[in-house]
Order: sequence, then structure tokens, then C-alpha cells
Amino acid sequence: AAGVIQSPRHLIKEKRETATLKCYPIPRHDTVYWYQQGPGQDPQFLISFYEKMQSDKGSIPDRFSAQQFSDYHSELNMSSLELGDSALYFCASSPRAGRSPYNEQFFGPGTRLTVL
Amino acid sequence: ILNVEQSPQSLHVQEGDSTNFTCSFPSSNFYALHWYRWETAKSPEALFVMTLNGDEKKKGRISATLNTKEGYSYLYIKGSQPEDSATYLCASHYNTDKLIFGTGTRLQVFP
Repeated sequence: AAGVIQSPRHLIKEKRETATLKCYPIPRHDTVYWYQQGPGQDPQFLISFYEKMQSDKGSIPDRFSAQQFSDYHSELNMSSLELGDSALYFCASSPRAGRSPYNEQFFGPGTRLTVL
Repeated sequence: ILNVEQSPQSLHVQEGDSTNFTCSFPSSNFYALHWYRWETAKSPEALFVMTLNGDEKKKGRISATLNTKEGYSYLYIKGSQPEDSATYLCASHYNTDKLIFGTGTRLQVFP
């Protein structure tokens, strides 16, 4: 079965550079979520999109922006990178059927970003 | 601030032992509780979604219970096997779709 695809899997950047992370949801899933997991920390919700519109926002820095495209893939753009941005960035997708609690979120393998 | 806590942080057991760990979450406006199993270098894999007080779910040797009034869930593994070694994450959600994660319980099963 198709899973959530994230690219790249690993990314190394210098401070103040820009990074773009991509997420391709499971086919027919129209909702995408982004989470950030710092070293030794629990995953923190950043932002989500439903039908190409932002549906919820968490602790996403102003230096980060994201969007969802017409094919439902999403990109997380990170500018002026700081050392503290080094983390594992997960994307998850779900088939949205109202706010059903049974809307499981299916996770991608994550992109590990290292900022030097 | 919504805070989900898991205990213990890590657990080492022998093959064949049964084990359990806890997820505590705020019970106000609770909507659902998710358990994920996460092996290193792989995607977190959904195990259970539970919503109702007293819910019990089972998948093979793994089962989970839910108490929404007091805000906790237990995950049980019967007869642990080395392949059960992973981090077990719980996450709750309230009136939005975003998940609030705990820090996970890292389980290591020794042969």
C-alpha cells in the first residue's frame, strides 16, 4: 500500500540558509499535517492543511511557511535557518471525513534536518 | 497548555515478559487517544484509536484501555518479543485534528 512520502530524507544546511521539505500524502488523502521533533523531545504540531487551505496552526515560527498544492502535496519552507531548527520533521496525512476521531493520521518517515 | 505524559520513559524487559505503560492526558474536551509504534528510521505506525471511556482495543499481543474521566490510557504487551522493541507514542486530540504527543516510552526486549 502507498505510504506518505517525504523528501529529502536527510538535509544538511548552514545557518541562515533556506530549506524546503516536501510531503506527498497517501492517494485520496486531502489533509496534511506537519510536526517537528527536536532531539529528545516529543513531536510538536506545526501546521495543517485541508483542501489546500490552512486548517490549523501550532508552534510554527514566522520564518517558516507552508502550503498545500492542487495535487495535495505540501511543502514546508524554512528560511534564516537557526541551529535550533535541527530536528526530525514529520508529515502525516489523513482522509478527512469531518472531525471524526477515527481519522487516523498516517506518518511519513520524516526528514532529518541538520543545521550547522 | 495541553500536556500529554508517558511513563516510564524507557523499559527493558526479557523476551516472554509481559509489560505495560501509561499515557496521561488532560480529560477536558477530550476527543480521541491514539497509540503509535515507532521503530527507528521508520514511520510511526498507528496501533489504536480510542474515544469512549472504557474502550479496550486489541491487536495480537498488544492491547490498550482508555479512561477518559481520569485521563489515562494503558498499553499492554503480552509475552514481549524482540521485534516489539520500539518507541510507543500516545497522542490525544481535542476539538481540532492536531495531535498532542507524549514523549514516548522506549521499549527494549532482550532475547
